[in-house]
Amino acid sequence: EIVMTQSPATLSVSPGERATLSCRASQSVTTNLAWYQQKPGQAPRLFIHGASIRATGIPARFSGSGSGTEFTLTISSLQSEDFAVYYCQQYSNGYTFGQGTKLEIK
Amino acid sequence: EVQLVESGGGLVQPGGSLKVSCAASGFTFSDSAIHWVRQAPGKGLEWVGRIRNTVNNYVPRYAASVTGRFTISRDDSKNTAYLQMNSLKIEDTAVYYCTGARDYYGSEEFDPWGQGTLVTVSS
Repeated sequence: EIVMTQSPATLSVSPGERATLSCRASQSVTTNLAWYQQKPGQAPRLFIHGASIRATGIPARFSGSGSGTEFTLTISSLQSEDFAVYYCQQYSNGYTFGQGTKLEIK
Repeated sequence: EVQLVESGGGLVQPGGSLKVSCAASGFTFSDSAIHWVRQAPGKGLEWVGRIRNTVNNYVPRYAASVTGRFTISRDDSKNTAYLQMNSLKIEDTAVYYCTGARDYYGSEEFDPWGQGTLVTVSS
């Protein structure tokens, strides 16, 4: 099974600043990598797929990068609605999620 | 509006069974693979299993943690998928989400998602 490891577990950032979330795969997943946002009491929502493609309706301040085993989700200027938990997921060989990064207000 | 709506969650005793449903609307259900993902209280997301579309012969696949106990099925005439859970354990307690995905390799990101249904296994 491919293991997905996200870092950090919690990231404290001030509104307006830049946030960088990392995701590492235990073996190459090429670009079969998605990012989801989840807010308390809500279902996850697709934000990024194909490692770098924004889903429909996702603001341009969100960008994904990487391939193989190293991936990054960058939020260029944090808005209040961006504070949530973010999960990466690989769908290259089976389907596995990272443990999540909680993005909190500093 | 694209929508998935789960139903059928509830309280069940250890060793018991429960069947939850996932009703779809607003997209071509029959073209999609349907996945189930669960989230234990305060924990992260865990993939449970999926069923492919008719073109791919409705082939199911399950996580090791549920293989032999859970069964996924679908009725395309009703735009509905099902998760039959048998021999339930306390550690199966979670919110269960259904989610759709395109059914070809390299494009299997999960979208849309249902709102989830809570399954509690307790005596």
